[in-house]
Amino acid sequence: DGGITQSPKYLFRKEGQNVTLSCEQNLNHDAMYWYRQDPGQGLRLIYYSQIVNDFQKGDIAEGYSVSREKKESFPLTVTSAQKNPTAFYLCASSKQGRRGYTFGSGTRLTVV
Amino acid sequence: AQTVTQSQPEMSVQEAETVTLSCTYDTSENNYYLFWYKQPPSRQMILVIRQEAYKQQNATENRFSVNFQKAAKSFSLKISDSQLGDTAMYFCAFMKGYSGGGADGLTFGKGTHLIIQP
Repeated sequence: DGGITQSPKYLFRKEGQNVTLSCEQNLNHDAMYWYRQDPGQGLRLIYYSQIVNDFQKGDIAEGYSVSREKKESFPLTVTSAQKNPTAFYLCASSKQGRRGYTFGSGTRLTVV
Repeated sequence: AQTVTQSQPEMSVQEAETVTLSCTYDTSENNYYLFWYKQPPSRQMILVIRQEAYKQQNATENRFSVNFQKAAKSFSLKISDSQLGDTAMYFCAFMKGYSGGGADGLTFGKGTHLIIQP
């Protein structure tokens, strides 16, 4: 079955370390997205990519970086510049011309 | 920029009752889409219902229906015959219509925690 795979499900890192969250999809979707979810804040867009080798900043891109070298993959790096990295991170994808988004199951990042 | 407001942080109803979740939005766009997503304790985001702004008819999906008032920029979700499995966070979301390119992401409200009591 097609879907989006995020790994790992839980991730612990020390303060000051960069960490990369994985997002892979086999839906042949063109666009991919990263959202951050904090309690009481809903989901906020970090980065998105509509095609390979191209991506745009979302509303809260500071302290994050992404790459899109393959259509299937859209990894997110949380850098040491991100002041409050502890959060739940969701990856999503959508097909151009379609009106639905598919979400992964998320990664809970805790920085200690 | 678009904003989405959900004014009910938490709601609680008895099983089998009908409940309505409120959502208002602000945009200068004329072509857009609105969504309701459900997030159960597993935290998986599940699409509940979708509405195209150019359609006057309200969308329905089984026990779920919306009341879309474009002029008032209101998009409420009605859940009929509520079930214990409906307990979840519900998020209202906005997406601009395509303009030949790809989608540039969803704007979410802060969510409503719906609790269905047995």
